[in-house]
Amino acid sequence: GIQVEQSPPDLILQEGANSTLRCNFSDSVNNLQWFHQNPWGQLINLFYIPSGTKQNGRLSATTVATERYSLLYISSSQTTDSGVYFCAVVQYNFNKFYFGSGTKLNVKP
Amino acid sequence: DSGVTQTPKHLITATGQRVTLRCSPRSGDLSVYWYQQSLDQGLQFLIHYYNGEERAKGNILERFSAQQFPDLHSELNLSSLELGDSALYFCASSPHKTDTQYFGPGTRLTVL
Repeated sequence: GIQVEQSPPDLILQEGANSTLRCNFSDSVNNLQWFHQNPWGQLINLFYIPSGTKQNGRLSATTVATERYSLLYISSSQTTDSGVYFCAVVQYNFNKFYFGSGTKLNVKP
Repeated sequence: DSGVTQTPKHLITATGQRVTLRCSPRSGDLSVYWYQQSLDQGLQFLIHYYNGEERAKGNILERFSAQQFPDLHSELNLSSLELGDSALYFCASSPHKTDTQYFGPGTRLTVL
């Protein structure tokens, strides 16, 4: 299967700071998604982004499929951004999802 | 609220037992996915159904089975339960085969 590595594993920010989360994957993918799991356990899809760049408010994501990585940018972080951010990919020509181990973000007021 | 519902929210049972988890996708979504989240293994993809047919199988044990019914709801059956099956089980749905997934609130299974 495909290897998915996320960095950093843990991140502590002061409210208002910006951050970049990274997802590296070991093979070609035809599906990549970023999810946020809030402290109450709810999983929310942030981006479906197999390639290119997307923005949604203070969040944006870029996937460079040819170089096998994706970046999630969080600007002007808020305490409600705290939680775990997961990257998940589907290996090209396969249909299985593989998750990274996540980046745990703690935004302090 | 994602529009995906899962029942029950919590389930406590004993080793060796069998349980059924239910998922209702968002209206109009044809795909249903099942995931397991445990402390030691993280998020694991179990299985994906599209319009009633199995599309992909991940790390699903032989003791586990799933199906998607004609009305598109799905059930995940877990049998011969072991302590290690204790986990959060998430269902997600999406409109088609490969696009944005919307997650349900999860079912927390505790096996004693």
